[in-house]
Amino acid sequence: EPEVTQTPSHQVTQMGQEVILRCVPISNHLYFYWYRQILGQKVEFLVSFYNNEISEKSEIFDDQFSVERPDGSNFTLKIRSTKLEDSAMYFCASRATRSSYNSPLHFGNGTRLTVT
Amino acid sequence: DQQVKQNSPSLSVQEGRISILNCDYTNSMFDYFLWYKKYPAEGPTFLISISSIKDKNEDGRFTVFLNKSAKHLSLHIVPSQPGDSAVYFCAGQLPLGAGSYQLTFGKGTKLSVIP
Repeated sequence: EPEVTQTPSHQVTQMGQEVILRCVPISNHLYFYWYRQILGQKVEFLVSFYNNEISEKSEIFDDQFSVERPDGSNFTLKIRSTKLEDSAMYFCASRATRSSYNSPLHFGNGTRLTVT
Repeated sequence: DQQVKQNSPSLSVQEGRISILNCDYTNSMFDYFLWYKKYPAEGPTFLISISSIKDKNEDGRFTVFLNKSAKHLSLHIVPSQPGDSAVYFCAGQLPLGAGSYQLTFGKGTKLSVIP
């Protein structure tokens, strides 16, 4: 079964540094998402992306965050200047259609980001 | 702002018995609900869903019940198996208009099935 793949599985960075989290969505999917889960908390929506532009974003997704689809397969999340509170598990997800009705989100295994 | 609440952080069940995971929501505009299962070091995987116009959906050992008036849904697993041990997330889909949707997740319930 096709999978969403994320790299790296674990990223450690110093506060103030830039990080790029990488994702390869399922190849025939058109809608891409980033979610994050702070330890012990719920999975939170960050941003959705379709047709090379952001569709929706949450309050968490401020100017420090950006997303890009640099080529036909990768989907990246960049955090420009990391803060301690950015430490979380970041999940990439994709689906074929905009709604979950017949196309639930498929998640990658996540990147654990640790900001020290 | 917890629109989707899973009030039990953990649940232990004997193998072969029924597991019942509960979820409450506050936003009556959710039009679709999903359950995801998550193993350690893996991402959430889709398990089962239900439309807001239905009250029950069954898939093998898994059944989801929706009580709209109570804004409550539950996931039943019967019989429970050790491989079902995982964190279960409830999610509600909110139509935002213009063909946009957003999923809101609960905090999850960790199910442990004891052999």
